[in-house]
Amino acid sequence: AQKVTQAQTEISVVEKEDVTLDCVYETRDTTYYLFWYKQPPSGELVFLIRRNSFDEQNEISGRYSWNFQKSTSSFNFTITASQVVDSAVYFCALTGGKLIFGQGTELSVKP
Amino acid sequence: SQTIHQWPATLVQPVGSPLSLECTVEGTSNPNLYWYRQAAGRGLQLLFYSVGIGQISSEVPQNLSASRPQDRQFILSSKKLLLSDSGFYLCAWSPTGVGGYTFGSGTRLTVV
Repeated sequence: AQKVTQAQTEISVVEKEDVTLDCVYETRDTTYYLFWYKQPPSGELVFLIRRNSFDEQNEISGRYSWNFQKSTSSFNFTITASQVVDSAVYFCALTGGKLIFGQGTELSVKP
Repeated sequence: SQTIHQWPATLVQPVGSPLSLECTVEGTSNPNLYWYRQAAGRGLQLLFYSVGIGQISSEVPQNLSASRPQDRQFILSSKKLLLSDSGFYLCAWSPTGVGGYTFGSGTRLTVV
């Protein structure tokens, strides 16, 4: 069975701090995709990144970066120099045919 | 371009009343379609998914059902709502199930 674990329920940081959101997954599939989504207070899900299981290259997009390590089944997300607008719930998700979400991490960035 | 429509945005229904939430996709054919629920707290739970017309897979036994009467239409229903059915319902589509997923804007359902 597939499972995604986001052990951090809530994180609170002060603006400009770096913050890393952890994600650990379980799957027996050899081909799968991992995702990160952002859910602001309005509720919609905002797509951030998709990574396939054969691509372990880390990715950077502006202040966002992702570290994918198959050896530890982790797909961690780092926000550098956090801003108040980064405050949201962040979900890690996994699919091998149907998208399964972690429980989410609520990030609060204080000015 | 592909778009997904979900309505209504908010809904308040009494216990025991029926429910029908509709989701439609435009600009694509034979999409995989999904219904998720986000109850109090934050977890997004997969309720149903469909890979074709009339094909529905249920992930969690519950008071809800789903139907796919047309290729790009996915309906979530209940004959009698329970208080525990309250939550935020999201529809999504994916071309293959392992590619990208696009989510609707969601329906916030409150059962009173």
